[in-house]
Amino acid sequence: DTAVSQTPKYLVTQMGNDKSIKCEQNLGHDTMYWYKQDSKKFLKIMFSYNNKELIINETVPNRFSPKSPDKAHLNLHINSLELGDSAVYFCASRELGIPETQYFGPGTRLLVL
Amino acid sequence: GIQVEQSPPDLILQEGANSTLRCNFSDSVNNLQWFHQNPWGQLINLFYIPSGTKQNGRLSATTVATERYSLLYISSSQTTDSGVYFCAVGPSGGTSYGKLTFGQGTILTVHP
Repeated sequence: DTAVSQTPKYLVTQMGNDKSIKCEQNLGHDTMYWYKQDSKKFLKIMFSYNNKELIINETVPNRFSPKSPDKAHLNLHINSLELGDSAVYFCASRELGIPETQYFGPGTRLLVL
Repeated sequence: GIQVEQSPPDLILQEGANSTLRCNFSDSVNNLQWFHQNPWGQLINLFYIPSGTKQNGRLSATTVATERYSLLYISSSQTTDSGVYFCAVGPSGGTSYGKLTFGQGTILTVHP
């Protein structure tokens, strides 16, 4: 009964490959997010979807493309992976109203060789 | 954009000690959350506290929105408190869609 789940947990791949990370939440939330955490632990928002509509799109290379097939799922596809894409990617979902708490998934550790 | 600074960057404690972590932010906010990232990488929401004071067990938090800072207090620390503590804020005014800007974190190590 995990609230926010991500697959895979670990991803090791070669430069130039294309990979996808999947996220699912069973909390009934309308808004979902992708964050990137770099090697210095700095967390930065990448994208957000509200009920399948893209609402936040930070300055992210267009090799990154989010997709939301329904409001419970938010996937992240990365084309032509580069060494600098190595990071931990977190999915989160938001409860509207008060409090506006965000719930995070376990993270996907991506290593590009 | 809004800037978030946390202090101290690192903190080492003996079990049982108390500590205070600080978060300063550069603009008015309508959303402030404290998170704990445990040694396994999981991010856990501790408090949603854009203003006022809240307590949850050994942890409490206070946000003074007019002075643009928040404090997280940990009392009687335990080894399981180790990890990284993040403050994250969302700007007031307009539609932010819940966008959070994170501070750089405070790394807490509690020794037995």
